[in-house]
Amino acid sequence: DIVMTQSPDSLPVSLGERATISCKSSQSVFYNSNKKNYLAWYQKKPGQPPKLLIHWASFRESGVPDRFSGSGSGTDFTLTISSLQAEDVAVYYCQQYYDTPRTFGQGTRLEIK
Amino acid sequence: EVQLVESGGGLVQPGGSLRLSCAASGFTFNSYAMAWVRQAPGKGLEWVSTISGSGGSTYYADSVKGRFTFSRDNSKNTVYLQMTSLRTEDTAVYYCAKSFRGGDYDAFDIWGQGRMVTVSS
Repeated sequence: DIVMTQSPDSLPVSLGERATISCKSSQSVFYNSNKKNYLAWYQKKPGQPPKLLIHWASFRESGVPDRFSGSGSGTDFTLTISSLQAEDVAVYYCQQYYDTPRTFGQGTRLEIK
Repeated sequence: EVQLVESGGGLVQPGGSLRLSCAASGFTFNSYAMAWVRQAPGKGLEWVSTISGSGGSTYYADSVKGRFTFSRDNSKNTVYLQMTSLRTEDTAVYYCAKSFRGGDYDAFDIWGQGRMVTVSS
């Protein structure tokens, strides 16, 4: 199984400041045939379903604010929120869809400092 | 509007069975793989199973393999998760999710609201 490890587990950030979450996979999720990284980022708020933010590691989903960006390739990935807003308080998960089982990271709880 | 509406779930004793349903609307259902993802109380997200658009391929997490069956009825735009031999560790909110571009290996862009399954004596 591909193990997804996020860091940190909890991240306090001041409003307007940058938030950076790391996600590392135990093996590469880059598919050579189409040059895509099979990596997604989701936002999860209590009582709500997960929301897709980023797919293919760096492609922002339609309607997602441009303060959210994804980067990385192979085994190392980053979700960045350029200027934290109050509504961004949530748990963020990375997920690989390269192989079965699809696996999620353990989650990073983003909070206001 | 693209929408997924789950039904079923509830309280069941260990060893019992339950079926979840997820009715889809607003997209060409048989062109998209579908999935179930669960979240146990206080825990993270766990992928459970994926089914291809045709229903010809299914994939399962080891934790549910042999106990859960994922199926779909494309004439009714509905997927089903039949859960048997339920264990206390299956207690979770179960979410139905749609694949982003339709493939079996894909992110999930649309999610249902979730159904609680509680396995307890």
